[in-house]
Amino acid sequence: EDQVTQSPEALRLQEGESSSLNCSYTVSGLRGLFWYRQDPGKGPEFLFTLYSAGEEKEKERLKATLTKKESFLHITAPKPEDSATYLCAVSNTGNQFYFGTGTSLTVIP
Amino acid sequence: GAVVSQHPSWVICKSGTSVKIECRSLDFQATTMFWYRQFPKQSLMLMATSNEGSKATYEQGVEKDKFLINHASLTLSTLTVTSAHPEDSSFYICSAEDLGTPQFTQYFGPGTRLTVL
Repeated sequence: EDQVTQSPEALRLQEGESSSLNCSYTVSGLRGLFWYRQDPGKGPEFLFTLYSAGEEKEKERLKATLTKKESFLHITAPKPEDSATYLCAVSNTGNQFYFGTGTSLTVIP
Repeated sequence: GAVVSQHPSWVICKSGTSVKIECRSLDFQATTMFWYRQFPKQSLMLMATSNEGSKATYEQGVEKDKFLINHASLTLSTLTVTSAHPEDSSFYICSAEDLGTPQFTQYFGPGTRLTVL
């Protein structure tokens, strides 16, 4: 069964303290792996799409990487405005999407 | 690019009434749109997938007669919550799949907060 597991559930960082969020997945034919950021009371905001193992994408302080079993979202020198819930999702070749439960990130000034 | 809008952003209604929520892709065509609901501090729960010009596909446990979905054009899908009850109160979010670049990516609307009194 296709599924996505994110860890940790919650993460508190000091401003400037780099860390990584994990997304482990099992999927019957990966079409794409997606990272989103969601602020309270808002819809998810698209960050990255990764398609194959070894691929990396970067945007400002964020960097997403992908292996055959998991993806990492690396946050370098985070700022308080990076506080949000980060969601990971996968799409399979049957056009089905599976979302993780998210990692709630809090960056303390 | 890839902007999705929803209207209304919030709605309060009386029990027994019907509420319609619109989802529009503003700068791209979306043959496939998705409807989710989200409870506080929980992840997204897919309700249905709608394809332009055809009937929506509902997830198991979602009442298709209660949650009517219409995808009449390549830029508009609507969700109608019929005979709403307090347990239908939730945050409803739509998304649209852009077949352009990056491929297979869903772009989400800002969500609609429904409160049924």
